[in-house]
Amino acid sequence: SAVISQKPSRDICQRGTSLTIQCQVDSQVTMMFWYRQQPGQSLTLIATANQGSEATYESGFVIDKFPISRPNLTFSTLTVSNMSPEDSSIYLCSAGLRETQYFGPGTRLLVL
Amino acid sequence: AQTVTQSQPEMSVQEAETVTLSCTYDTSESDYYLFWYKQPPSRQMILVIRQEAYKQQNATENRFSVNFQKAAKSFSLKISDSQLGDAAMYFCAYRIDSNYQLIWGAGTKLIIKP
Repeated sequence: SAVISQKPSRDICQRGTSLTIQCQVDSQVTMMFWYRQQPGQSLTLIATANQGSEATYESGFVIDKFPISRPNLTFSTLTVSNMSPEDSSIYLCSAGLRETQYFGPGTRLLVL
Repeated sequence: AQTVTQSQPEMSVQEAETVTLSCTYDTSESDYYLFWYKQPPSRQMILVIRQEAYKQQNATENRFSVNFQKAAKSFSLKISDSQLGDAAMYFCAYRIDSNYQLIWGAGTKLIIKP
């Protein structure tokens, strides 16, 4: 399996500001994913981040709001831009390795 | 379109007993993967078990086993000798193609009664 870390684990932010979430994998992986999850609900895929190419966004998510970087095979960042209270959620990153997605511990974001 | 359905929003079981969580899916593919993930209150999503569709044998991992019925498109998770640490949300997921993307069920909240 893969060990994935995320920073920060939680944050409280003011509306209109931006937060960058970092995701580090202990193995080299081609595909990484960013999800959003409301408490008690299932996961919603924001985008797929492949190293060396532009991220692919799901319907309802745009690059201007959620820019993603993927500078190498072990690291990715997700930025939540110009935040509003509706962005309050849990953000999860994952990595594809040996036919399976492995997940980081998540970032709990509260926007006031 | 592929879909995953978990019809039990919440289940409860007495500690040390057995519980089965249900999952059905819809696909026209013949080769795919199915997963059960566990998410305790700490929110870390943990892989419980994986099943390859081409394998007829049901996957097992210690106290966790699946009943994979390919023709019925059913993929249930059985937890034997339930422990307090099993309390969590359980998500069923289907992998749609080689790029690792998953289709998720709505989740089942499992409560363990001491």
